[in-house]
Amino acid sequence: DQQVKQNSPSLSVQEGRISILNCDYTNSMFDYFLWYKKYPAEGPTFLISISSIKDKNEDGRFTVFLNKSAKHLSLHIVPSQPGDSAVYFCAATTSNYQLIWGAGTKLIIKP
Amino acid sequence: EAEVAQSPRYKITEKSQAVAFWCDPISGHATLYWYRQILGQGPELLVQFQDESVVDDSQLPKDRFSAERLKGVDSTLKIQPAELGDSAMYLCASSLGGAYNEQFFGPGTRLTVL
Repeated sequence: DQQVKQNSPSLSVQEGRISILNCDYTNSMFDYFLWYKKYPAEGPTFLISISSIKDKNEDGRFTVFLNKSAKHLSLHIVPSQPGDSAVYFCAATTSNYQLIWGAGTKLIIKP
Repeated sequence: EAEVAQSPRYKITEKSQAVAFWCDPISGHATLYWYRQILGQGPELLVQFQDESVVDDSQLPKDRFSAERLKGVDSTLKIQPAELGDSAMYLCASSLGGAYNEQFFGPGTRLTVL
């Protein structure tokens, strides 16, 4: 039973355009969400987070949107750069401080 | 900048052999996690420590896996005997703990069992 779902295994975007990565969750008790970025042969790196009391959080080129009624969040990257090519994971925090992870979306930025 | 250290980075072993992975979390981080990640999937939690105590090891295959964090600082994950299906990336993460603290990951150990 996947509680956090990333339905797009991969996404290809032109450099300079917007990248939108999507994530859905099923457990309405989740109240904190995080996005991590992972390069091959490295551990995941924290990117940005959002609390359920907000619907938007912005950090430079990265913005995360949360739609609680739809149980959906999205990560926007504007403008997309070659270094953004990586696997992006969405995760939700549980009450015992564990993370429930999506399967990841591989983002490819084309020159 | 403080980092989570892991060693070795790569390990190749034959099935039925024993392997061990080491993790040194960021100083002051009380919570330590071991994950296993298979390509195309998100990390799967194996064990969670709070200081030296195991908080959750429900997903750890205890017949062959063991983990310890004796002094509440660094930690070791062991597999004995290794099986072909254990080939994966093993990730260690640490956190200050609490609901809204992110987890910081080490570079991982890529295990290949032949």
